[in-house]
Amino acid sequence: GAGVSQSPSNKVTEKGKDVELRCDPISGHTALYWYRQRLGQGLEFLIYFQGNSAPDKSGLPSDRFSAERTGESVSTLTIQRTQQEDSAVYLCASSLYVSVNTEAFFGQGTRLTVV
Amino acid sequence: AQSVAQPEDQVNVAEGNPLTVKCTYSVSGNPYLFWYVQYPNRGLQFLLKYITGDNLVKGSYGFEAEFNKSQTSFHLKKPSALVSDSALYFCAVRSGSSNTGKLIFGQGTTLQVKP
Repeated sequence: GAGVSQSPSNKVTEKGKDVELRCDPISGHTALYWYRQRLGQGLEFLIYFQGNSAPDKSGLPSDRFSAERTGESVSTLTIQRTQQEDSAVYLCASSLYVSVNTEAFFGQGTRLTVV
Repeated sequence: AQSVAQPEDQVNVAEGNPLTVKCTYSVSGNPYLFWYVQYPNRGLQFLLKYITGDNLVKGSYGFEAEFNKSQTSFHLKKPSALVSDSALYFCAVRSGSSNTGKLIFGQGTTLQVKP
């Protein structure tokens, strides 16, 4: 596609429910990143993929969070047993390669609200 | 550990005046530096990057940034601000000594340009 696409754009869920957030990267981009942006705060790194592998999962806040990527394309971020502190905008980005000098392109984000 | 600091939560400037948004960084190895802009309810857009070479980097929408190795800074500048430049600006860094593509972001600076 022309850009990084994320769905849904907004999600309201009840505390304790599981949610799945989807990211479609730019076609041909081998690197994919997930970030979290809490209200009024900066971007918090969660995980990145090189192809279908996740070399760095260091930012996942707890074992309730998991992510996978298939076909070197779509990625899903799953949050189990959601808590109110999970409320945030979840941003996905992709880049052509995993390289220090390659910029990442971001999607519009999924705004998650846990009530 | 890599880190980025944006010391100003908000910068106010009158339209037509020059603007500066400050960023300092801390990395081991060579720094690779990026600026992104976030308009309300939209994802992050890439503005410019410093990889190597000239310390003054030119990017989108008339923005430029100056890399200063001795001061470990990468301030974003524009000679003449527009009201439409009002947005949230993020500085980000990768370390050349790292084998990860992870971008570390600052907390963001809100730029307010008044007519």
